[in-house]
Amino acid sequence: GESVGLHLPTLSVQEGDNSIINCAYSNSASDYFIWYKQESGKGPQFIIDIRSNMDKRQGQRVTVLLNKTVKHLSLQIAATQPGDSAVYFCAENSNGGRRALTFGSGTRLQVQP
Amino acid sequence: NAGVTQTPKFQVLKTGQSMTLQCAQDMNHEYMSWYRQDPGMGLRLIHYSVGAGITDQGEVPNGYNVSRSTTEDFPLRLLSAAPSQTSVYFCASSFRGQASTEAFFGQGTRLTVV
Repeated sequence: GESVGLHLPTLSVQEGDNSIINCAYSNSASDYFIWYKQESGKGPQFIIDIRSNMDKRQGQRVTVLLNKTVKHLSLQIAATQPGDSAVYFCAENSNGGRRALTFGSGTRLQVQP
Repeated sequence: NAGVTQTPKFQVLKTGQSMTLQCAQDMNHEYMSWYRQDPGMGLRLIHYSVGAGITDQGEVPNGYNVSRSTTEDFPLRLLSAAPSQTSVYFCASSFRGQASTEAFFGQGTRLTVV
């Protein structure tokens, strides 16, 4: 069936470097994508979202890029900090008003001091 | 400013027992949903609700029941617990508005079935 997946299970970066976390999706009908951050023992926390009619959206230190041609989503974190260490999930909404998300399997970001 | 509150935080059940996981939100969100998260995996949708009195099945509904009698509450019932239901359960809620469909998550309920 349709699914959302991630290329890398673990990403290790140096503090201060930029991080890029990738996500591939297969449902071309998806119209909304979200990145979540999940710290150990906590629920997912919203980071940034993007609609399918956009190809880029920026937040504070984060940028999401959407390439619909190759069905690829990425999260860029600028000047990565130790507090950014967590598991990052991409999620998609392909059901219009359902507001029920399909999640990828996650990428663990490890920030080395 | 409680947001989404789940109880209990931890639970151990014996195979065959039943129980209800509670979820309450104080943001007047129309949409609520339940997910389970198995080790090293993403979240999978169990059931969801678009408003009081309306529920529907998600990706993995078997063995679970839900009801939505009020906007605030969305309990998840395990009918007869099985070891395969050992997981962390998350409840989420969101607005129906077009501006954002950001989902707010609770802190999770860690369930172990022995």
